Amino acid sequence: GQNIDQPTEMTATEGAIVQINCTYQTSGFNGLFWYQQHAGEAPTFLSYNVLDGLEEKGRFSSFLSRSKGYSYLLLKELQMKDSASYLCAVERYGQNFVFGPGTRLSVLP
Amino acid sequence: KAGVTQTPRYLIKTRGQQVTLSCSPISGHRSVSWYQQTPGQGLQFLFEYFSETQRNKGNFPGRFSGRQFSNSRSEMNVSTLELGDSALYLCASSLHQGGSNEQFFGPGTRLTVL
Repeated sequence: GQNIDQPTEMTATEGAIVQINCTYQTSGFNGLFWYQQHAGEAPTFLSYNVLDGLEEKGRFSSFLSRSKGYSYLLLKELQMKDSASYLCAVERYGQNFVFGPGTRLSVLP
Repeated sequence: KAGVTQTPRYLIKTRGQQVTLSCSPISGHRSVSWYQQTPGQGLQFLFEYFSETQRNKGNFPGRFSGRQFSNSRSEMNVSTLELGDSALYLCASSLHQGGSNEQFFGPGTRLTVL
């Protein structure tokens, strides 16, 4: 089977750093995506990891460990506009995407 | 370059009716995937089309079907609507099938079944 877990909700303060974890169990793993989704809007791409290690893109970084079935999204210098849901998605061979339940992040002033 | 477009944006139907949703991918993108998003279940994969062929299918009943046209535009159909079909239906397009393909999502069609 396939299973992806993320924390349901997280709260952090403006200017802080937050780490959102994602664990997965799936066959045919090809890569892992992180998407951001603001309420009432479509998901937008944040990052993609296929090899183990850290990918950095501005204030956002994503880490992957294939052997552990684990990824995290790191958000630095949090801003109010970062309040959104963050979706972890596993790409399987044949381009079948399985999304996690999402983590709702609230950034407080 | 125009993004993914979906029509209609909002739809209200009653139980037992059928509905057709449309998705136009980004120009040049050949892969189109459909998802259902509900507060309780999150984003769930419905099916994926590439070059007019269904390549992958999620765990949804046969009432959910789709197709893709030669211009890569895609439609999905839901027959005999049930209350539980109320959801946001998202379409996403990508350039290729397989590999590291970023998916670009449309704004979605919000379907309400009464």
